[in-house]
Amino acid sequence: DTGVSQDPRHKITKRGQNVTFRCDPISEHNRLYWYRQTLGQGPEFLTYFQNEAQLEKSRLLSDRFSAERPKGSFSTLEIQRTEQGDSAMYLCASSSILTGVFGYTFGSGTRLTVV
Amino acid sequence: AQTVTQSQPEMSVQEAETVTLSCTYDTSENNYYLFWYKQPPSRQMILVIRQEAYKQQNATENRFSVNFQKAAKSFSLKISDSQLGDTAMYFCAFILDYKLSFGAGTTVTVRA
Repeated sequence: DTGVSQDPRHKITKRGQNVTFRCDPISEHNRLYWYRQTLGQGPEFLTYFQNEAQLEKSRLLSDRFSAERPKGSFSTLEIQRTEQGDSAMYLCASSSILTGVFGYTFGSGTRLTVV
Repeated sequence: AQTVTQSQPEMSVQEAETVTLSCTYDTSENNYYLFWYKQPPSRQMILVIRQEAYKQQNATENRFSVNFQKAAKSFSLKISDSQLGDTAMYFCAFILDYKLSFGAGTTVTVRA
């Protein structure tokens, strides 16, 4: 078990470009979460999957954002037409129904810089 | 909605000394969980300690302990015998169902 993996670790993009991030959860975890962390702040919830179903989306997730989890394994978070305000750390976490809240494991995040 | 407030942006402590981080939260729920997470420069959030709201006994994990005051909605973290490796950002977090709500964090610097 290698924990929650996120790729890439860093991404610099020009305003207006599309970017996609990937998250590989712990293999036996059926719940997956995306959070966004801006500089000097705590992470904020973006969205939640149970298996392949996206069960909740935060109002922070504008129409430019889309997340998928095909086949209930890895997940992708895509941002279209990036804006400077999208610059942040994007954290992925996973857990299982069995461990519930105590099994929450975070990845190391993808740091996005929009120039 | 749940809110979490950490009023200390930065704390500095001498190695081997004790430091206490404060956290208050607001919720109308009765059954919930509280956590303290550590985020070192490597960026990965690491769970430090957790507290179930239905438990009156304060949680302890080695050098880390909490003071949970449910009526006051207060959840402070005490780090005893501080070590250089404790230098990190510390976040207080509240969880209901599956969603974590975090405070803004406190940067802890341990001085040699």
